[in-house]
Amino acid sequence: DSGVTQTPKHLITATGQRVTLRCSPRSGDLSVYWYQQSLDQGLQFLIQYYNGEERAKGNILERFSAQQFPDLHSELNLSSLELGDSALYFCASSVGSGAGNTIYFGEGSWLTVV
Amino acid sequence: AQTVTQSQPEMSVQEAETVTLSCTYDTSENNYYLFWYKQPPSRQMILVIRQEAYKQQNATENRFSVNFQKAAKSFSLKISDSQLGDTAMYFCAFIASGTYKYIFGTGTRLKVLA
Repeated sequence: DSGVTQTPKHLITATGQRVTLRCSPRSGDLSVYWYQQSLDQGLQFLIQYYNGEERAKGNILERFSAQQFPDLHSELNLSSLELGDSALYFCASSVGSGAGNTIYFGEGSWLTVV
Repeated sequence: AQTVTQSQPEMSVQEAETVTLSCTYDTSENNYYLFWYKQPPSRQMILVIRQEAYKQQNATENRFSVNFQKAAKSFSLKISDSQLGDTAMYFCAFIASGTYKYIFGTGTRLKVLA
């Protein structure tokens, strides 16, 4: 158990809908990262927050947004969902921001869009 | 731009044998960090080992060790005394000092045979 908690673990929704994925980082960690892993693919970096502020952005679609709250938990919002958005979405956390900080992953949220 | 390449999509090894997974990366940075993560069938991402580029000594964690060749930009993972539980996808990751984005390779699927 990495200490990073993600909910829900599984989610099935229809195209065009909106979902919210939630992440609680490890105790003491200030950074939260979101990654997308499509079937048999590597990890695509979406976005990173550090202590409530956006720190780095990857290939995140405009239909997706995220935020980190004062209690340091983070939410990833996915809207106007398409079949291609079906993937495993990982949240990870680290103590600090950037290199030198090992990131620890949650168990992921499986999203299936039908 | 930094890249991480894992040239072996799939590998297999007999139980108790040794296997080496390769990873190469491309960067103009001198200070950076390298990681190996394991993703078993449960899909959770588990940190295996970490290496700081400024350290010449290769990192070791029990049966897992790396061969870090900075000049060649190579970072291979050696698994000794392979066990069935080592069956997983293995990802190599890189992050340059002063940056916030971890870059993952496409992974090597390792199967340990009984």
